[in-house]
Amino acid sequence: EAGVAQSPRYKIIEKRQSVAFWCNPISGHATLYWYQQILGQGPKLLIQFQNNGVVDDSQLPKDRFSAERLKGVDSTLKIQPAKLEDSAVYLCASSLGQGNAYEQYFGPGTRLTVT
Amino acid sequence: GENVEQHPSTLSVQEGDSAVIKCTYSDSASNYFPWYKQELGKRPQLIIDIRSNVGEKKDQRIAVTLNKTAKHFSLHITETQPEDSAVYFCAGGYALNFGKGTSLLVTP
Repeated sequence: EAGVAQSPRYKIIEKRQSVAFWCNPISGHATLYWYQQILGQGPKLLIQFQNNGVVDDSQLPKDRFSAERLKGVDSTLKIQPAKLEDSAVYLCASSLGQGNAYEQYFGPGTRLTVT
Repeated sequence: GENVEQHPSTLSVQEGDSAVIKCTYSDSASNYFPWYKQELGKRPQLIIDIRSNVGEKKDQRIAVTLNKTAKHFSLHITETQPEDSAVYFCAGGYALNFGKGTSLLVTP
């Protein structure tokens, strides 16, 4: 079974530039999550999708971050404009359904460096 | 929302010794507590989880205990091996809130 795919794996941009990350979840997984993991910290949930609808985006900085999952499969996360403090690994995860009955599977992450 | 506190932040043990990592949570309604292992530069991987209807769960050298009254849960690793060296995260809450992680080093 293929795992969660993410691209790019690494990205370096200057502050105030924009960047986009892509995630392809495990086939059949209805729930998709984006996490931000700053160096030395645990992952922080940014947004959760159930199919193509947003379940929770309470911790997403909506003035600069946006995410979509238009067809309920792949998802993109965008930052515009980027700030230095956005430097982190952005992890995508997916699960069969939402809630605690389902294990989350993480992708390899995209390491973003903002200079 | 849920607030998960994890300690210690670093832990160094000799190979063969046991390691214990503890987490506390704030939301008494939380009912699912997974533990993830993250090796350097790799993705977090689930190693064990526990639900609030049980007090302990074991899987070979790994065990997790849950005390709902005190709102804390712990990861126990016995007979540690160098390959257990990694960062371990606890999590809790409906929308998983992660602790800050424990960097475990097992020295031969």
